[in-house]
Formats: sequence, C-alpha cells, structure tokens
Amino acid sequence: AQSVTQPDIHITVSEGASLELRCNYSYGATPYLFWYVQSPGQGLQLLLKYFSGDTLVQGIKGFEAEFKRSQSSFNLRKPSVHWSDAAEYFCAVGASGTYKYIFGTGTRLKVLA
Amino acid sequence: ETGVTQTPRHLVMGMTNKKSLKCEQHLGHNAMYWYKQSAKKPLELMFVYNFKEQTENNSVPSRFSPECPNSSHLFLHLHTLQPEDSALYLCASSQDVGLGGYTFGSGTRLTVV
Repeated sequence: AQSVTQPDIHITVSEGASLELRCNYSYGATPYLFWYVQSPGQGLQLLLKYFSGDTLVQGIKGFEAEFKRSQSSFNLRKPSVHWSDAAEYFCAVGASGTYKYIFGTGTRLKVLA
Repeated sequence: ETGVTQTPRHLVMGMTNKKSLKCEQHLGHNAMYWYKQSAKKPLELMFVYNFKEQTENNSVPSRFSPECPNSSHLFLHLHTLQPEDSALYLCASSQDVGLGGYTFGSGTRLTVV
C-alpha cells in the first residue's frame, strides 16, 4: 500500500540547534517527494521537492532534504533552527502524471529560545 | 493580489444551512484542488479541476458540491453538513495536474454546529 510516515508527532529543539525531521514512504512507482510547512492559521507552503537527479535538494528558508532510495526516506534537515521555524511540517509523495499526492500526518516543531 | 486567496477565513454554520467557500488564484495555474484537513489525519484530497473540468471526485459526499467557473476561481458549496465535517478546507493550485508543487491558500476554518 502507498503511504507516508512521519514518525515524530512533536519535536522540540533549542534555537540554533540542528534539526532533522523524518519521512518514510512506501510507493510502488518512482516517487516525487515534497516537504511543506504550515504556520498556525495558514495554508501549506512548499519548502522543497525532489523529482530526480541529485539526491540532496536545497529548499527555501535554509532547509535541505536527502532522498535515500534504499531506506525509502526523505528526511528534512536544517543546520541551525530559528524561532520562526516553529510550525508543522508535512512530507508528501506522488508520481509523475498523478495529482494524488499522499501526505503524512505532520510533525509539529517547537523551538525553545 | 498574488497567490491563492480563500474566503471566508472562518465559517460557523448550522446543519441546515447552505454556504459557499471561495478560492481565487492569480498565478495563471491550470489546476485547482480542494483538500480537507482534520486534526491528526493526513490531508484528504476532495476534488480536482484541470482547465475548469472536474477530473477527480474522491468519494466525497454529495453535501459538498464544487464549482469551477473558470481557471482562476473555485467554489465549494455546502449544504446539510454534519458536525464531523468541521475542519480546515484548503484550496490549492498548480501549473498543471501532476507536476506537483502546489500553492495553497490559507484555508477556511469551518465549524458545523
């Protein structure tokens, strides 16, 4: 079955610390992978996407993600977290030619000053 | 105004009411989507329109009725809703169906009483 798992419901980090949010997927075809961020009361904003090529992709706001096919993972990272990064983060997977992207249940990030 | 705009931001309605949600995009995108976001559940795709034509109805109850008069506007007409329909309803758009990288609106927080 096709699915996306974000194992961590909540994560708390101190400002300035590094961050890694986990995403694992199960998908039959070659996946297209996405990370979105949702601030309170807002819609989702695309952080980055992976279609093919270099497995390390750079996104907005200093985020990056690495696609590891052998581990079926697409983890999101940031070297130094800012208080403004506090939000909920969603991983999504799809395939070429389809609009049926599957979203994870999200990871809520809290940043301590 | 740019991006995807949704109105109203908040809506409280009784189970016998009829109301409509509006979505407008100024990005020149050809595909528009309605998603339902409930607490602790993945985003649920409801409807997809591509070049004004509905291409997906994801087994949504008939009390939800979409309308897409042109590629820039999308409506969701609501009638005789149930309390479990209370959720955040998100509109999104993309250049074409299947290319990913949605642009989301801020959503309408719907409460059914």
